[in-house]
Amino acid sequence: TQLLEQSPQFLSIQEGENLTVYCNSSSVFSSLQWYRQEPGEGPVLLVTVVTGGEVKKLKRLTFQFGDARKDSSLHITAAQPGDTGLYLCAGKGAQKLVFGQGTRLTINP
Amino acid sequence: ETGVTQTPRHLVMGMTNKKSLKCEQHLGHNAMYWYKQSAKKPLELMFVYNFKEQTENNSVPSRFSPECPNSSHLFLHLHTLQPEDSALYLCASSRNRDSASSYNSPLHFGNGTRLTVT
Repeated sequence: TQLLEQSPQFLSIQEGENLTVYCNSSSVFSSLQWYRQEPGEGPVLLVTVVTGGEVKKLKRLTFQFGDARKDSSLHITAAQPGDTGLYLCAGKGAQKLVFGQGTRLTINP
Repeated sequence: ETGVTQTPRHLVMGMTNKKSLKCEQHLGHNAMYWYKQSAKKPLELMFVYNFKEQTENNSVPSRFSPECPNSSHLFLHLHTLQPEDSALYLCASSRNRDSASSYNSPLHFGNGTRLTVT
């Protein structure tokens, strides 16, 4: 069974700080997606990374896929209250999309 | 407007009730999914429909019964649920089943139905 572990599970920081959240597995994935889920809403896709070592940037968010395609990270620079939400990673496994349990991020003004 | 609409947004039901969750997508997708989201657990895939045919049932108890009359509509019929079934039920769609995890056709989720079983 392929599993994705996200860390930390909870993170609360002040506006303007930087942060990194992680998505790790012992399995190899052909691609990995990051979603953000805001309170009362469904997850929304932020980015998909496909190639080992790939780095993608979305404004203040930087996503990296590990060289071995077993892990990924999301770095947020100068976090803002609008970044608050549940961040989910999802890896494409042999048969299906496997989700991590999420990192719940709170940015305090 | 997410393109995937779920109703109702909230539902409270007793263990002996029968209720249905509805999902409608306006994206022209051919695959639709039901996921269960519980606190501190990964999203659990329940059912998958591709071109109206059920392609996956991930060992879901028979008290959950899906129905997909066409590619735009998906239902989840509920009966004799248990308190541990309380969760957020998310519907999603994608262009087709094989594209669900491809870079050019991800999952589009609805806002979910928050179900409480008393």
